[in-house]
Amino acid sequence: SQTIHQWPATLVQPVGSPLSLECTVEGTSNPNLYWYRQAAGRGLQLLFYSVGIGQISSEVPQNLSASRPQDRQFILSSKKLLLSDSGFYLCAWSVGGTGENTEAFFGQGTRLTVV
Amino acid sequence: QKEVEQNSGPLSVPEGAIASLNCTYSDRGSQSFFWYRQYSGKSPELIMFIYSNGDKEDGRFTAQLNKASQYVSLLIRDSQPSDSATYLCAVNESMGAQKLVFGQGTRLTINP
Repeated sequence: SQTIHQWPATLVQPVGSPLSLECTVEGTSNPNLYWYRQAAGRGLQLLFYSVGIGQISSEVPQNLSASRPQDRQFILSSKKLLLSDSGFYLCAWSVGGTGENTEAFFGQGTRLTVV
Repeated sequence: QKEVEQNSGPLSVPEGAIASLNCTYSDRGSQSFFWYRQYSGKSPELIMFIYSNGDKEDGRFTAQLNKASQYVSLLIRDSQPSDSATYLCAVNESMGAQKLVFGQGTRLTINP
């Protein structure tokens, strides 16, 4: 069965510090991968998605970037965190390459607080 | 701007009753529709998906889709206290990559 791992679970970082969040998926090949953010009191917002190694699409302009160095690895980064980057970051995956309707499954999330 | 609207609640339902959650969406071209359950402090968990007009039943859950009215709903029968959570409606604007647009969520409380 497929599993998705995301770490760390919680993170407190000072303003201006760098960020690296990692997500890996097991039990599937060539998945579509996603980063979402849920800010306090707001809905989930899609930040990035990837349909393959090195292929990243950004959905909203922001202080963050994403990379996919391996098929089942997705990384969210920032060079300098802002207070507004605080939130609950969620990695998700779905079956890739079908062009059909598929479901997305979420990791456990990282709660980031920028202080 | 594609939008998904939900009543934020809280919606309070007695144990054993039917809970009805509603969602409307703005993009008429939307292809697939999802309901996620999110417990406080946890990540969303997929509970239902529906792609075609009509009803889809899975255990105590029934999803209903009306594309003409751009409306999707979730019914929970025989509500249990463990159903207390925030329910997120999500809509995918295209097939393939899951570029989901989420509603704000409806907070549901089941009262014993």
